[in-house]
Formats: sequence, C-alpha cells, structure tokens
Amino acid sequence: DTAVSQTPKYLVTQMGNDKSIKCEQNLGHDTMYWYKQDSKKFLKIMFSYNNKELIINETVPNRFSPKSPDKAHLNLHINSLELGDSAVYFCASSQGDRGWYEQYFGPGTRLTVT
Amino acid sequence: GDSVTQMEGPVTLSEEAFLTINCTYTATGYPSLFWYVQYPGEGLQLLLKATKADDKGSNKGFEATYRKETTSFHLEKGSVQVSDSAVYFCALSGTGGGNKLTFGTGTQLKVEL
Repeated sequence: DTAVSQTPKYLVTQMGNDKSIKCEQNLGHDTMYWYKQDSKKFLKIMFSYNNKELIINETVPNRFSPKSPDKAHLNLHINSLELGDSAVYFCASSQGDRGWYEQYFGPGTRLTVT
Repeated sequence: GDSVTQMEGPVTLSEEAFLTINCTYTATGYPSLFWYVQYPGEGLQLLLKATKADDKGSNKGFEATYRKETTSFHLEKGSVQVSDSAVYFCALSGTGGGNKLTFGTGTQLKVEL
C-alpha cells in the first residue's frame, strides 16, 4: 500500500494554463507539506498544513494555492503557469509538526511548462 | 536563518570503498538532523535521523553522529555497493515550529564495480 501518493506523476502543459496536483496519505498523519525541487535538485519547502490549518507559507507566488479538504489530502493548484514553474513537486507528511517527526515523501510530480 | 552545507558531488567510488559525505549546519538551538536518499526517478526516503546532540543514527550500514560542538552530521558507510548509487540529502528541522525541513544541495554518489 502506497503511503504518500501523488497524481499525476507527469504533467506537461503550456504557459498560462491552470493545473492541479493531488496528494493523499494513508498514514494517519496530521501534517502535510509541499516541496519544490528545481533542475539542480535543490529542495525547498512551499507550504505546510497541520490538521487542515496552514502553518508554513514560504515566499511563494500567490499563483500557487494549496488546499487541504481533510487531514489525508493536500492539493496544490497553480494558476497562470510560467516557464519557471517547471520542476518536480513533492508532497510529504509527518505524524505532527514538531521537528523530531520524520517526513514521508511521495514519488513526485514532474511539471513541465512549455 | 537555518542552513545546511554539504559536500559537492558527484562522488565516484569503487564497490566496497569507504564513504564519507560531509554535512554541516547553522541553526539556533537544537535542531533535528536527517539524511534522505533519492534514487533515480523516485521520491526521497529517510535514511537515518538524530534528534539530540551525540545521538547516532544508523540504517542499512549507514551512520551519522549529531555533533553539536562542530555543528556536523557527516554520513559514513564502511563498504558501499553499486545499489547505493543515489543522491544523498542532509537536512535539518529547526526549533521554530512547523517542522520545516531545510535541505543541503544534495551529493550524487556513483558506485562502480
């Protein structure tokens, strides 16, 4: 059984389009995250939700909007896609929002904007 | 702010060689420290962690010790295998709440026969 799953795995779209990435975890965790990995493999946090409440919102353009309908799901919607949004987006979850809890990552969604 | 510095790659080793990947960090207080591994085309997997000073994390022959005095968390393995070829990320979760992971730039390891 997959612990953290993301759909789609690959997403190719044109500039200006709006797209969504979905994430689900079946670990019973309270906290979920979105990370962006750029072409040089550098990883940076974008958002974090704890019990459906937004607790981390890094300096991300407001074209990116996360939504957590329940504790098991965290979706990422991106408006007006730009070339620079091309990256791999990883969802993750952890038992809680304290630093000693390890995070479990999904397989990633490779977004290519043309 | 928090930061993690790890050695530049790629690192190329022969099978059964000794591996060290250096990682140092900057953070206030006592962060938790992690090593994650990313195999080609996959997500990140936790390799090991340490949550307080002098703790040693270990898994699958890999080890790292949380050294507060040198702010380091170097990854070691006594004998690498071809299957260890991957990108290794050192990361910390600071004391500021929210469990935000700050990652190093990653070190690519290639193990050859």
